[in-house]
Amino acid sequence: GENVEQHPSTLSVQEGDSAVIKCTYSDSASNYFPWYKQELGKRPQLIIDIRSNVGEKKDQRIAVTLNKTAKHFSLHITETQPEDSAVYFCAAAGYSSASKIIFGSGTRLSIRP
Amino acid sequence: KAGVTQTPRYLIKTRGQQVTLSCSPISGHRSVSWYQQTPGQGLQFLFEYFSETQRNKGNFPGRFSGRQFSNSRSEMNVSTLELGDSALYLCASSSSLAGGLNEQFFGPGTRLTVL
Repeated sequence: GENVEQHPSTLSVQEGDSAVIKCTYSDSASNYFPWYKQELGKRPQLIIDIRSNVGEKKDQRIAVTLNKTAKHFSLHITETQPEDSAVYFCAAAGYSSASKIIFGSGTRLSIRP
Repeated sequence: KAGVTQTPRYLIKTRGQQVTLSCSPISGHRSVSWYQQTPGQGLQFLFEYFSETQRNKGNFPGRFSGRQFSNSRSEMNVSTLELGDSALYLCASSSSLAGGLNEQFFGPGTRLTVL
């Protein structure tokens, strides 16, 4: 069945440094790849998404890259700040109405002051 | 627009009991998905409803069921509760006809504890 693998499960970076989280997916029909951020005790919220017709998308300090051939996509956070500390989930979904969204297992990102 | 709401926010049940959780999507959203979130398993997809029909289903036993009403509100039911069902249950609504193709807006979740 469909599967999304996410690495690493935990990540600690110095404030101001960059953080990279990687995901691979198994279903070659997937073409929508969102990233969600979940702060402690709060609900997941979309921070950025990318569709398969685009290789890279950037929004201020956050960027996502997609390699459809290799079936992997990555989240890049630059100039990390304390408020970036959270759990990040990647996900993959197909295009048809019968598709479902599959989430990765999450990465707990900690920003060291 | 009001966000996704879930009731109740907290529940404590004992093994063998059943429970019903409710989710009200954002007005105009017709897709409602349910997820189980546990510390070790992340976000596990339960099922998705669209226009009162179950459109997708995850790999959960038949004890987990759901339904959607004509106003898009959704309920999920867990029968014969087990200790392992203790989790945060999140619902999410989406405006997309293609279910997960667009942004999922999550509710605050229902924290279920099974004793």
